[in-house]
Amino acid sequence: KQEVTQIPAALSVPEGENLVLNCSFTDSAIYNLQWFRQDPGKGLTSLLLIQSSQREQTSGRLNASLDKSSGRSTLYIAASQPGDSATYLCAVRPGTYKYIFGTGTRLKVLA
Amino acid sequence: EAGVTQFPSHSVIEKGQTVTLRCDPISGHDNLYWYRRVMGKEIKFLLHFVKESKQDESGMPNNRFLAERTGGTYSTLKVQPAELEDSGVYFCASSRANDDEQFFGPGTRLTVL
Repeated sequence: KQEVTQIPAALSVPEGENLVLNCSFTDSAIYNLQWFRQDPGKGLTSLLLIQSSQREQTSGRLNASLDKSSGRSTLYIAASQPGDSATYLCAVRPGTYKYIFGTGTRLKVLA
Repeated sequence: EAGVTQFPSHSVIEKGQTVTLRCDPISGHDNLYWYRRVMGKEIKFLLHFVKESKQDESGMPNNRFLAERTGGTYSTLKVQPAELEDSGVYFCASSRANDDEQFFGPGTRLTVL
């Protein structure tokens, strides 16, 4: 049974700091892995999608890596800003349709 | 292109009452998914429609939950009768093909008192 764990559960950093969010999953047989952002009261915004054959994806200040063999992904945020404050969710797709989510990391970037 | 929409955004009901949540997927998306997040837990899959057919309802918690997608357009999720543990945020997502990226709606926050 696939389980997804995110560490840390919460993180508070000063503005400008580079930071890493971690995601681990128990079964390496995944179709893809996706990082989402959720703002309070809002839906999920897709940040980066990494297919199982890829090692990393980049978008602006965000970089996500995937190591299937070790069951790990990291989301790197460069030069953090107060607007980055949100909950970050990692989700894996073991097959072609449903996502299995982690519990998320609540990030607060202090001005 | 309009995104996935959900109605209502919030619902507060008493234990034993019935609530119906609605999801309108992105136009042209045959695949529709329901997920929910209960307090302190991760978002969990409930079920998956392809057009009007249920492909996988393995995540539905019990028979108090009924999902429909008549005509293959919008979907409803009915909870009858609602229990306290049903409180949480119910998300809907849609995709064009079942291996495509899913786009999520804003969710419906359900509170059962």
